[in-house]
Amino acid sequence: QKEVEQNSGPLSVPEGAIASLNCTYSDRGSQSFFWYRQYSGKSPELIMSIYSNGDKEDGRFTAQLNKASQYVSLLIRDSQPSDSATYLCAVNLPWGTDKLIFGTGTRLQVFP
Amino acid sequence: DGGITQSPKYLFRKEGQNVTLSCEQNLNHDAMYWYRQDPGQGLRLIYYSQIVNDFQKGDIAEGYSVSREKKESFPLTVTSAQKNPTAFYLCASTSARDTQYFGPGTRLTVL
Repeated sequence: QKEVEQNSGPLSVPEGAIASLNCTYSDRGSQSFFWYRQYSGKSPELIMSIYSNGDKEDGRFTAQLNKASQYVSLLIRDSQPSDSATYLCAVNLPWGTDKLIFGTGTRLQVFP
Repeated sequence: DGGITQSPKYLFRKEGQNVTLSCEQNLNHDAMYWYRQDPGQGLRLIYYSQIVNDFQKGDIAEGYSVSREKKESFPLTVTSAQKNPTAFYLCASTSARDTQYFGPGTRLTVL
């Protein structure tokens, strides 16, 4: 069974701090990794994609990928109350299926 | 204005009734997907289609049916055989490298 694991949280951080969200996956053949943000009652919104080992930065967001250890993380710098949401990690199933497996999400709360 | 649209936003179903959820995209994406999301759970794949006139079952296809007659459209029918259909339904389509984009969703409630 292909799995993507996330801590459900809530992860509570003060405004201005760094929020660190983690995700592990089971299929060593996975090549594409995604972070989505989902506000309550809304659909998921793509934040970051990462395909190579290392860090990828986009504004306040940094995705980190370590394929050897099978984990991917998302760092949010200078966290804002508007970042409070559930963050979903998604990993592709390899071999050209175009399918993603989603984690259950980590709920982030940023308090003023 | 490109994107994925879903309708209706809210849908109520009576016992024994079939209902159809609409999903349309003008992004020229080949692959489209239907997911179901229940409170506190991740997204579960119902059906997906990689090309017109072809679709495959996902992990929880029982009680659902789809069609893909046009590239832009991928409607989902929730049949009376689906005994617990109350959920948030999400349609997505794929661009390059597996990146999926989601529509706004349809919230289905059984009366």
